Parts: sequence; C-alpha cells; structure tokens
Amino acid sequence: AQSVSQHNHHVILSEAASLELGCNYSYGGTVNLFWYVQYPGQHLQLLLKYFSGDPLVKGIKGFEAEFIKSKFSFNLRKPSVQWSDTAEYFCAVSLPMNRDDKIIFGKGTRLHILP
Amino acid sequence: NAGVTQTPKFRILKIGQSMTLQCAQDMNHNYMYWYRQDPGMGLKLIYYSVGAGITDKGEVPNGYNVSRSTTEDFPLRLELAAPSQTSVYFCASSYSAGSRNSPLHFGNGTRLTVT
Repeated sequence: AQSVSQHNHHVILSEAASLELGCNYSYGGTVNLFWYVQYPGQHLQLLLKYFSGDPLVKGIKGFEAEFIKSKFSFNLRKPSVQWSDTAEYFCAVSLPMNRDDKIIFGKGTRLHILP
Repeated sequence: NAGVTQTPKFRILKIGQSMTLQCAQDMNHNYMYWYRQDPGMGLKLIYYSVGAGITDKGEVPNGYNVSRSTTEDFPLRLELAAPSQTSVYFCASSYSAGSRNSPLHFGNGTRLTVT
C-alpha cells in the first residue's frame, strides 16, 4: 500500500536557523506532492505543491520543497525560520490516476521555534 | 466566501450516544472527505465522496456513516459513540482528487470528546 513517511515527529529550532523536514513516499508511479501546514488551533492550509516541471517548488512564507524522484523524497526547506513558523507540517501524496481518488498524509512533524 | 463550514466546533458525548457532524462547502467541489486527526498519528481518512450519491470507505470507517445527498453537504454520523472516537474531525473538499485542479480545502474542525 502507498504510504508517506515523515522522518521527524518533533523539531525544535531557534529563530533564524535553517529548516529541513523530510518526507518520503512509497509509490513507483507519477505522483502529486503537497505540504500542508497547521498553525496552532487552526485548520490545515496548503503550503506548496508539486505536479510536474521544475522539481524545486516555491511556496508561501519563504518555504520551498525539492522533489527528488530517485529518492522518492519531497523535503521541505526554509533558509531562516521565524517564531511564527511554529506549527505542524504534513506531507501528502495524491495519485493522479488513482481511481480511488485518495490523498495520503504523513503523520506530521511538529515544529517549535524558540524566540 | 465561506469555503468549508463545519459544525459544531466542540462536542462532548456520552458513550453510546449518537450525533451528526455537519460539513458544507460552497465551492461546487465534487470531492469531499472526512478525516480524523489524533496526536502523532496525522490524518486518517474516514470516508470520502466523489460526487452526490457516491460515497466510499477510507482507512478507518468503522463506527461512522456518511451520506451525500447534495454536492454541498457531507454529514458524518456516529451511531454509538465510543471513547476511541475522541478526536478532532476535519472535513475537506476539492474540485478533483486534490491534484492538478485544486488542493484540499479544510474546514476548521470539530473537537469531539466521548466520555
């Protein structure tokens, strides 16, 4: 079965530190990839997405992610984090030709930024 | 621009009681989903619907039922509440399977406690 793995469950960083959150998926075919963010007390919001083309995608708030097909990875990065980036981050995969039309989420990474 | 609206925001149930979580979207999205979010477990898909009159089970459907009589509404029914159903429930919608045409749009969630 398809799955999404997020390597870190809980990350603590100081402001201005660089961030990389890992995401790997298990599916050999074409995929669409997403990162969602959930700020404390709020619902999930789309951070960025990859469908095709340039494997380096830019999202909102200075986030970017790189799709590496050979590694089945879609890691999220930010060069310099801010306190307001404290949130939970979810990687997700959808299979564009999947007749079941499901989107699979990772278990999430809780990011805590120290002021 | 309401997007996805969930009611209620909070609810406490006694074991064995029943209730319906309401979800409505005004974006004319075909696809609607119910997820539950538990700490450290990410989002688990309960049920989903690809259009009015069509529903299907997700990863964790036991103890729940859904209906999709209209494009706009996708209520989730708990018939005999159990403590294991204590969770935060998110409804989401998308134009297609969360891929090329639109990502998932989430509601603000319903926090349910069963005691």
